[in-house]
Amino acid sequence: DQQVKQNSPSLSVQEGRISILNCDYTNSMFDYFLWYKKYPAEGPTFLISISSIKDKNEDGRFTVFLNKSAKHLSLHIVPSQPGDSAVYFCAAVNYGGSQGNLIFGKGTKLSVKP
Amino acid sequence: DADVTQTPRNRITKTGKRIMLECSQTKGHDRMYWYRQDPGLGLRLIYYSFDVKDINKGEISDGYSVSRQAQAKFSLSLESAIPNQTALYFCATSDLPATGVVEQFFGPGTRLTVL
Repeated sequence: DQQVKQNSPSLSVQEGRISILNCDYTNSMFDYFLWYKKYPAEGPTFLISISSIKDKNEDGRFTVFLNKSAKHLSLHIVPSQPGDSAVYFCAAVNYGGSQGNLIFGKGTKLSVKP
Repeated sequence: DADVTQTPRNRITKTGKRIMLECSQTKGHDRMYWYRQDPGLGLRLIYYSFDVKDINKGEISDGYSVSRQAQAKFSLSLESAIPNQTALYFCATSDLPATGVVEQFFGPGTRLTVL
C-alpha cells in the first residue's frame, strides 16, 4: 500500500501564477517531509523540507505547508517560472524510529507555460 | 565536479546478460542507496548500505545484488538481466540523521535498456 501519494500526475500553470503541488501520506510516524525536483536526464535534486513539528517552511519562491491532522502537505511555488517545469517528488521519512529511508510518491509533472 | 557519479550513463544489454552499475561519491557520506525509476511509479528503493559492512534489501531487491567496496563506492549488479528491468537507476548518498541534514543526494542516473 502506498504510504506517500501524489494523486495528480501532471499540472499545468501559467508563468507568474502560483503552482500548488499536493502530497498525502498514511503513516503518522513520518517526522520529516521533503520535496525533490527532477529534470529530464538528471538525478533528483533536493528542494525543501519540513519537520513534523512545523506547519510551514519557506525558501524564496518555494513554501511547503504541512497539515498533520489531515496527513497532507503541499508545495507552493510563487511566482512560477518556465524553469520550474520538472517532475516534483514528495518524500517522507521516519528518522525517529527506523533506518531513515525515504519513501517517495510517484511524482507530479509541472509544466509552466510562458 | 559532481559529488555523486554513476557509470555508465546509458547501457543497452540483452536478456540473460550480467551487468554492473557503479556509483562513486566524494561527499564522505556513510549511507548509500540504489533506486529505480519507472514511468508513473516514482522512485523505488532496491538496496541500501549504512556502512561498508552493512547491506540491506529495499522494496524491490529481487533480481539485484550489491557490493559496497569502500565507503565511497556502491555497485549494483543484475545477475541475469530481463526486459522488465529496463528503467532509470539512481544512486544516492546521505549523511547520518544526527547531523540534522535529512536529504539524500542523487547521482545523474543510468538509463538501462534490456532487450
